[in-house]
Amino acid sequence: GAGVSQSPSNKVTEKGKDVELRCDPISGHTALYWYRQRLGQGLEFLIYFQGNSAPDKSGLPSDRFSAERTGESVSTLTIQRTQQEDSAVYLCASSPGTSGREGPSYEQYFGPGTRLTVT
Amino acid sequence: KQEVTQIPAALSVPEGENLVLNCSFTDSAIYNLQWFRQDPGKGLTSLLLIQSSQREQTSGRLNASLDKSSGRSTLYIAASQPGDSATYLCAVSHRSNDYKLSFGAGTTVTVRA
Repeated sequence: GAGVSQSPSNKVTEKGKDVELRCDPISGHTALYWYRQRLGQGLEFLIYFQGNSAPDKSGLPSDRFSAERTGESVSTLTIQRTQQEDSAVYLCASSPGTSGREGPSYEQYFGPGTRLTVT
Repeated sequence: KQEVTQIPAALSVPEGENLVLNCSFTDSAIYNLQWFRQDPGKGLTSLLLIQSSQREQTSGRLNASLDKSSGRSTLYIAASQPGDSATYLCAVSHRSNDYKLSFGAGTTVTVRA
């Protein structure tokens, strides 16, 4: 079946502009995640959605970053007033659920990412 | 805060040689550990997931071990092939937030034909 898709694949924007990044998770996956990967660094967790629960926004680096998810489908990550340090690859992942303390672990399935360059 | 370190940062080996990739983490209170593969321009592909109660997982030529108490995991790739060339990432999830993965910076592997 179709995997996680993201659009655009590449985005170049001028400093100070707003950008929207889109993620389409695997159908039926209730959990959705956004990560950021800066050049030469590991992935950083940004935000997590699980069903209708309140999202975990603890990884968002500033109030310029926000994300929305419609039900259990598409998610958009918005960065307002972009800065050069926002340049990175933004990766989205989805999973069938999350386990809690007693259940099995669910793998996260990743999309190809959006490469954002702020000039 | 969980810190994940991967050594070496890069590795180049001739085809057929076995690969050994190391991952260490500072907080042993993990829920699970995952190894991923990342190819240029593509997303991550999950290779192996080890629950905190397990000591190893195997899939084909891949074997991953976990020593939670010492905060270490090792990924072994037997009889390497040029197609194994990629960046390998290690990630751990915390016991109370199993969805939030902490990643290492990765080991970039080149297998020479």
